[in-house]
Amino acid sequence: NAGVMQNPRHLVRRRGQEARLRCSPMKGHSHVYWYRQLPEEGLKFMVYLQKENIIDESGMPKERFSAEFPKEGPSILRIQQVVRGDSAAYFCASSSLRGRYEKLFFGSGTQLSVL
Amino acid sequence: KNEVEQSPQNLTAQEGEFITINCSYSVGISALHWLQQHPGGGIVSLFMLSSGKKKHGRLIATINIQEKHSSLHITASHPRDSAVYICAVPPPYGGSQGNLIFGKGTKLSVKP
Repeated sequence: NAGVMQNPRHLVRRRGQEARLRCSPMKGHSHVYWYRQLPEEGLKFMVYLQKENIIDESGMPKERFSAEFPKEGPSILRIQQVVRGDSAAYFCASSSLRGRYEKLFFGSGTQLSVL
Repeated sequence: KNEVEQSPQNLTAQEGEFITINCSYSVGISALHWLQQHPGGGIVSLFMLSSGKKKHGRLIATINIQEKHSSLHITASHPRDSAVYICAVPPPYGGSQGNLIFGKGTKLSVKP
C-alpha cells in the first residue's frame, strides 16, 4: 500500500542542465499536484494534472518549466536550463477527487540543488 | 488574492502542554487544510475541514467560517509533535482542487 513516491530524493544539477523530477501517485489516484518550497519560504502551488491533461498550470513559471502525467508511468516535472534560483524542495501530492475537495497525500519531496 | 496569516510563527512548549495554533484568511472559502511538515521535510495532511470541528487522536481542528479563522489544537503535547504546522486555503475565485495558498507555517518545538 505504497504512498506517493517521488524520486530522486536529492538531485544536484549544474547551471544550464535539465532536471527531471518524478512522482507516482497513490494507487487509485488520478490527480497529481506539484508544489515548490523555496528556502525559508512557504509552499507554492505550481500545477495540477490528471492523466494526459494539464488542468491548472497557473502557478508554473512561463519559461523552462513543464509538467506531464502520461497515461502510463509517473508524472514528470521538467526544468530546462536550471538556474541557482530553481534550488528548492519540490513536492507532489495526489488525490482521488471523489468530491469537490479531497484530502491530499504528499510525497517526501525532491530537493533540487543547482550548483 | 487570499491572504493567509498564521500565529505564532514559532512556539516552544513543554511536554504535556495544550497547544493552539491559529490561522486567519482574508477571503471566504469552502475548505481549509492543516498540514504537518516534519523536520526531515515530509508533509502529512492532518485535516481538511469546511465547518465545525474535526478530531483525530490528540489533534483537534476547528473553523469559524464567518470569522475566517481556524485553530489547530494539540492536547498532551509530546516531543514527537515537533514540526512545522501549515494551514492552506483555496484562492478566492475557487480555483482547482489542490491550487492552494499556504501560510508560512508555525514551527512547534516540544521539549521533554
